[in-house]
Amino acid sequence: GAGVSQSPRYKVAKRGQDVALRCDPISGHVSLFWYQQALGQGPEFLTYFQNEAQLDKSGLPSDRFFAERPEGSVSTLKIQRTQQEDSAVYLCASSLEALNNEQFFGPGTRLTVL
Amino acid sequence: SQKIEQNSEALNIQEGKTATLTCNYTNYSPAYLQWYRQDPGRGPVFLLLIRENEKEKRKERLKVTFDTTLKQSLFHITASQPADSATYLCALDRGSTLGRLYFGRGTQLTVWP
Repeated sequence: GAGVSQSPRYKVAKRGQDVALRCDPISGHVSLFWYQQALGQGPEFLTYFQNEAQLDKSGLPSDRFFAERPEGSVSTLKIQRTQQEDSAVYLCASSLEALNNEQFFGPGTRLTVL
Repeated sequence: SQKIEQNSEALNIQEGKTATLTCNYTNYSPAYLQWYRQDPGRGPVFLLLIRENEKEKRKERLKVTFDTTLKQSLFHITASQPADSATYLCALDRGSTLGRLYFGRGTQLTVWP
């Protein structure tokens, strides 16, 4: 594909439901990042993968958040027992390498928790 | 923790003028500083990267400066056009955090005809 794709684009969940958000990075990109963007704010780092290894998950806000990238390409961000404060846009980005490389962002998944 | 401030939430200028956006940071000095453009409903798009040992970088109508003494970056768009209207995000890379970017909240630029 030409760029990073994410699905679904929009997700509405009832409080307490589990959700799974998918990211398809650019083929061949080693690094993959997840960010959370609240309305009117800049993206906030959640977690980072280098191939299939999750090297940094310090930004995950709670143990309800879990991310994986089992084969070093597609990644899934899972949120268990969603809360209203989880409502945000979740952005995925990939880059050829981690350091001093531009990051290519997907369009994001807008999650609304009712 | 790293704190990044972008000068204002909104900037309105007339077409043809130069837009200047400011990014100030505290605490750690970044190894790299990046600027992104974000349109409504879309993900950020990379524009420019400048390293700590570089004073200035240019790309077409865009210019970025980096002053590590002032802990500040300026982002200029010359001969602005209505199509430049978007939110511009400043992002810091500390160089030791595996590519993690610290973003400011962005400045919404509106260029009116």
